[in-house]
Amino acid sequence: SQQGEEDPQALSIQEGENATMNCSYKTSINNLQWYRQNSGRGLVHLILIRSNEREKHSGRLRVTLDTSKKSSSLLITASRAADTASYFCATDKGSSNTGKLIFGQGTTLQVKP
Amino acid sequence: GAGVSQSPSNKVTEKGKDVELRCDPISGHTALYWYRQSLGQGLEFLIYFQGNSAPDKSGLPSDRFSAERTGGSVSTLTIQRTQQEDSAVYLCASSFSGHSSYGYTFGSGTRLTVV
Repeated sequence: SQQGEEDPQALSIQEGENATMNCSYKTSINNLQWYRQNSGRGLVHLILIRSNEREKHSGRLRVTLDTSKKSSSLLITASRAADTASYFCATDKGSSNTGKLIFGQGTTLQVKP
Repeated sequence: GAGVSQSPSNKVTEKGKDVELRCDPISGHTALYWYRQSLGQGLEFLIYFQGNSAPDKSGLPSDRFSAERTGGSVSTLTIQRTQQEDSAVYLCASSFSGHSSYGYTFGSGTRLTVV
């Protein structure tokens, strides 16, 4: 079963609107990461939030983490057409020392100009 | 190098043939990971290398799949007697160490099509 599961599976918004994606996971973690993928190829690391952090910002990205609910959200503010991509959350397992990440199924975001 | 390099970028092979996929990680990154992604799906973990050793190969789907890493650098993923269900994008990532807090740098992947 997936360690991380994203919701919604697909999201379509107008340019300028905010996009919110959610991720749930099952086990304890050291950190949770968000990645972006364009055109089904390599993923790009966006942001990492540690288990002792509740919120983190990077440019137009805001990530929250609720370890009691085992969930995270990624907010993209003032979206642009160039933000169109798939977004994945990834978690390690708190007991693991391999750095292995488990990825969710992803949210496909379409931003219409 | 400046990024993670994978080759070939695309590979079409006949069912039953063997294929080799190559990954050249960022210089100095000791950890290397292989994932595969089927169309429209998430990433499925295959194998993890720390240096030349593979302490976690739990994701390899069958004994037709093998991987090695030499000189703590280049890694090769080999699929023997390919089947149509092996068709996917194979992604390689490297990290500064085998600790998740460093995040991954991914290559652009190899799209494998078995016909």
